Amino acid sequence: QVQLVQSGAEVKNPGASVKVSCKASGYTFTNYAMHWVRQAPGQRLEWMGWISPVNGNTKYSQKFQGRVTITRDTSASTAFMELSSLRSEDTAVYHCARAMGATTIFGVDHWGQGTLVTVAS
Amino acid sequence: DIVLTQTPLSSPVTLGQPASISCRSSQSLVHSDGDTYLSWLQQRPGQPPRLLIYKISNRFSGVPDRFSGSGAGTDFTLKISRVEAEDVGVYYCMQTTQFPPGFGQGTKVEIK
Repeated sequence: QVQLVQSGAEVKNPGASVKVSCKASGYTFTNYAMHWVRQAPGQRLEWMGWISPVNGNTKYSQKFQGRVTITRDTSASTAFMELSSLRSEDTAVYHCARAMGATTIFGVDHWGQGTLVTVAS
Repeated sequence: DIVLTQTPLSSPVTLGQPASISCRSSQSLVHSDGDTYLSWLQQRPGQPPRLLIYKISNRFSGVPDRFSGSGAGTDFTLKISRVEAEDVGVYYCMQTTQFPPGFGQGTKVEIK
């Protein structure tokens, strides 16, 4: 069955960067786009960006443009999300979520368990 | 960006009774290919979101048939025909028709 397993919780100082991984299994990794979505405490889900695993093409929310980088390692069926210049408002649970197809219009059908990133001095 | 507005924000429901959640979009969600990419997600406490409904009214694999979706254009509804204890959680609508994808603010379903 489809599984997305994310890396563990992180605690970072303001100004630092964090890199979260998402290892996929149970399907052909390159056939489905991957989204990254975050959820700050008490806030709605917030879309950050997505990657096409087959060619590495990415698209980001304007809100995170310049601070977020999404990459993938096809040999390891793993997607990564790196967020830089962290501030306290970036404290959130970060999820990877598989698209229902090769592009993002199809919605998402499977989610990783989430990675809590805490930004505090 | 498209704004999705859900109502109500909180829905206390008696077990066995129906529940309904509305999601209104600031723009039409009909894609140029003719489909409408509006989904509904359920997030139980302490868990990641789970897909319930995609393209307005298609139940995802394993989703009980007490969940149904309807609507068109800018107005959409998720209905639970008879709420069970396991349905407690927050429900989100999500649009992927237009870039960037976005979510409603969430509706909390709780048992009275």
